[in-house]
Amino acid sequence: DAMVIQNPRYQVTQFGKPVTLSCSQTLNHNVMYWYQQKSSQAPKLLFHYYDKDFNNEADTPDNFQSRRPNTSFCFLDIRSPGLGDAAMYLCATSRLIIRGGVGYTFGSGTRLTVV
Amino acid sequence: EDKVVQSPLSLVVHEGDTVTLNCSYEVTNFRSLLWYKQEKKAPTFLFMLTSSGIEKKSGRLSSILDKKELFSILNITATQTGDSAVYLCAVVYAGGTSYGKLTFGQGTILTVHP
Repeated sequence: DAMVIQNPRYQVTQFGKPVTLSCSQTLNHNVMYWYQQKSSQAPKLLFHYYDKDFNNEADTPDNFQSRRPNTSFCFLDIRSPGLGDAAMYLCATSRLIIRGGVGYTFGSGTRLTVV
Repeated sequence: EDKVVQSPLSLVVHEGDTVTLNCSYEVTNFRSLLWYKQEKKAPTFLFMLTSSGIEKKSGRLSSILDKKELFSILNITATQTGDSAVYLCAVVYAGGTSYGKLTFGQGTILTVHP
């Protein structure tokens, strides 16, 4: 089945140690998003790629970077994780349709713990 | 500043009750509104609403959008304990570099007791 896959489901990293989360999709969607969801809060957009065009949200910390080497894959790099970066990280994809709605699909998320 | 506000923030009911969850929004370049159900994992898609006044239904769940008054409601009839979850609404942007971006409301925590 076509889907959005995030690896790993759970990630434990040490304070200050770089970590990379991955997302792959078989939907051939042109847009990929990374959301951060902290405990008891709504998901918050960090950045997104429209094809190869990278769009960073104004309040996304510099500590967070992203790469999209091809249509299928997108990575979230946290250069120096702090305790405040512990959260669920959600990858999503969409196929923007000129008329009508937007096909939006979330991955299962990666829960990051910083120790 | 764009915002999406959900109410109530939490709701406790008994099985069989009917609930109505509210989502109001003030955003530029509105494209559509999405409803999600979230348990202890990624959000699960429920509805996408683009046009005013057209009710979407799926089993015991239904939703409608009012683009003039800028709100949407999600109704759940004959609630079951399995409906206990956080319900999120999100607005999809239409224009510029924000095209397709979602802004979420803070969610409504629904608890259904047996």
